[in-house]
Amino acid sequence: QSVLTQPPSVSAAPGQKVTISCSGSSSNIGNYYVSWYQQFPGTAPKLLIYDNNERPSGIPDRFSGSKSGTSATLGITGLQTGDEADYYCGTWDSSLSVGVFGGGTKLTVL
Amino acid sequence: QVQLQQSGPGLVKPSQTLSLTCAISGDSVSNNNVAWNWIRQSPSRGLEWLGRTYYRSKWFNDFAVSLKSRISINADTSKNQFSLQLNSVTPDDTAVYYCVRELTHWSLECWGQGTLVTVSS
Repeated sequence: QSVLTQPPSVSAAPGQKVTISCSGSSSNIGNYYVSWYQQFPGTAPKLLIYDNNERPSGIPDRFSGSKSGTSATLGITGLQTGDEADYYCGTWDSSLSVGVFGGGTKLTVL
Repeated sequence: QVQLQQSGPGLVKPSQTLSLTCAISGDSVSNNNVAWNWIRQSPSRGLEWLGRTYYRSKWFNDFAVSLKSRISINADTSKNQFSLQLNSVTPDDTAVYYCVRELTHWSLECWGQGTLVTVSS
């Protein structure tokens, strides 16, 4: 059971937009920055969004992040088949002083 | 460009110690602005943060609560690397283990290639 809650799966058609939610608590998301990771099978996760809504160099602006209260959201516009992957949210839990992740969301581009 | 190269055995016997090393290129393990993490992933546990080490005029460590009695993470400045040791392993510790560089606000920016460690006799 992961500390952060994500939907197990989401799907949308190519070209459409999808959002992935990440729910936590006041000791983690409510009190710290959120990051998002993209993972393809057999490879290491890749940083997609940091500090709630910042994109590392090289990440297209089709990917966006937001945070409100104890929840965060990853948005992907202009979906491509190459976006099919698992997506994870992560943050620091200040009360436990530990890093925490969501259980991951599998994105299917139909 | 920072690269992390992991090394260590892929098979460990139950009750023994799991040891992995992460060699850093393109950065210094003593960098005051980053932290060095170990994270594992398994189908049953998903992504699980294990702990980290970082240098801020002296060395600090943080560990997952459930592993505090069994884990150590150490930096070797002479070899510019850091290591993970997990004692008294059980089959439940079977996972892919990653070393990861952390930038500001726990953004995990650079990941090693991953090492599948199987705990089995």
